[in-house]
Amino acid sequence: DQQVKQNSPSLSVQEGRISILNCDYTNSMFDYFLWYKKYPAEGPTFLISISSIKDKNEDGRFTVFLNKSAKHLSLHIVPSQPGDSAVYFCAADTGTASKLTFGTGTRLQVTL
Amino acid sequence: DAGVTQSPTHLIKTRGQQVTLRCSPISGHKSVSWYQQVLGQGPQFIFQYYEKEERGRGNFPDRFSARQFPNYSSELNVNALLLGDSALYLCASSSPGGPLHFGNGTRLTVT
Repeated sequence: DQQVKQNSPSLSVQEGRISILNCDYTNSMFDYFLWYKKYPAEGPTFLISISSIKDKNEDGRFTVFLNKSAKHLSLHIVPSQPGDSAVYFCAADTGTASKLTFGTGTRLQVTL
Repeated sequence: DAGVTQSPTHLIKTRGQQVTLRCSPISGHKSVSWYQQVLGQGPQFIFQYYEKEERGRGNFPDRFSARQFPNYSSELNVNALLLGDSALYLCASSSPGGPLHFGNGTRLTVT
């Protein structure tokens, strides 16, 4: 039972454009959501998070949007840079932020 | 500051053997969690320890065990290895209410 779903396994975006990565969840008890970026041969790196009491959180080029009624969140990267090329994981938890449920990841490629 | 460190980076074991993986958290972090990532999937929660006590366990068999030491470092043990245990094992540490910070993992191959 996949409680966190990333339905797009890959995404290709031109440098300078917006990258939008999507994530859906089924467990209504989830109230804390995070995005991680992973390069090959490295562990996941925390990017940005959002609590269920908010619908938007912004940090530099990264913005996460949460639509609780649709059980959907998205990560926007503007402008996209070649160094953003990585696998992006959406993760969710019921508040502890230590027992995360991850999606299967979306591989983002930013082309020149 | 040093991040989460894990050892070894790579390991090859035979079916039926036992393995111990080690993790040192970020200085000041008292919580350590372990995750298993198989190819093509996201990390899956195995254990969480806080102040040397188990605070959570994922859906893994009893062959998997862990412990946390007084210095907050941690070990993950897997007994009677199966081919399906081949994966990247990730350790993460966190401060209360903070996000998980992951190490680079231990790549375990079971032949």
